[in-house]
Amino acid sequence: GENVEQHPSTLSVQEGDSAVIKCTYSDSASNYFPWYKQELGKRPQLIIDIRSNVGEKKDQRIAVTLNKTAKHFSLHITETQPEDSAVYFCAASMGGATNKLIFGTGTLLAVQP
Amino acid sequence: GAVVSQHPSWVICKSGTSVKIECRSLDFQATTMFWYRQFPKQSLMLMATSNEGSKATYEQGVEKDKFLINHASLTLSTLTVTSAHPEDSSFYICSARGTGTSAYEQYFGPGTRLTVT
Repeated sequence: GENVEQHPSTLSVQEGDSAVIKCTYSDSASNYFPWYKQELGKRPQLIIDIRSNVGEKKDQRIAVTLNKTAKHFSLHITETQPEDSAVYFCAASMGGATNKLIFGTGTLLAVQP
Repeated sequence: GAVVSQHPSWVICKSGTSVKIECRSLDFQATTMFWYRQFPKQSLMLMATSNEGSKATYEQGVEKDKFLINHASLTLSTLTVTSAHPEDSSFYICSARGTGTSAYEQYFGPGTRLTVT
């Protein structure tokens, strides 16, 4: 089955710096890669996603890149702000009828003011 | 649009009792619902996938007789934790996708914090 690895597990940056979180997936059939932000005790919130027919997607300060050959995808946050502090999860899915999501292990991002 | 609710938001039960958690899609028909469990400082682990009117498909290692899932309508799925024990204490989150929603995105409920004493 699909396996998703995520690094780093913790990341501390200064306000205004960039943050990069990386994920690797195992199943080449995966075609949908969402990123979630989760605050303590709350539901995961989708912040950006990318499908396998696209190499990069950007939404304001957030971007995701996908390398299908290497089975890597990354989240890039620029001009970080203290409110970006949270746990971020990547996930991978093969889509289809059930669209099962397999989550990475999470990255605790701390943005120091 | 695409709102999912869960009830209760938190529950405390005694060891050996059963507890039911409801997951509802409020503004769309949820053809597929997913149940996840999240232990403190860990990731979301998929427990099972359910399609309306069908039996749930459980992930490896999840006891189907302990975690009963019912998806009897297009707006409601329930998870019953039977004979709960302290090790079942966790954050349970449902998600759904369905008619009129993205073909890929899952919409998450707010989660239910279960504490078994």
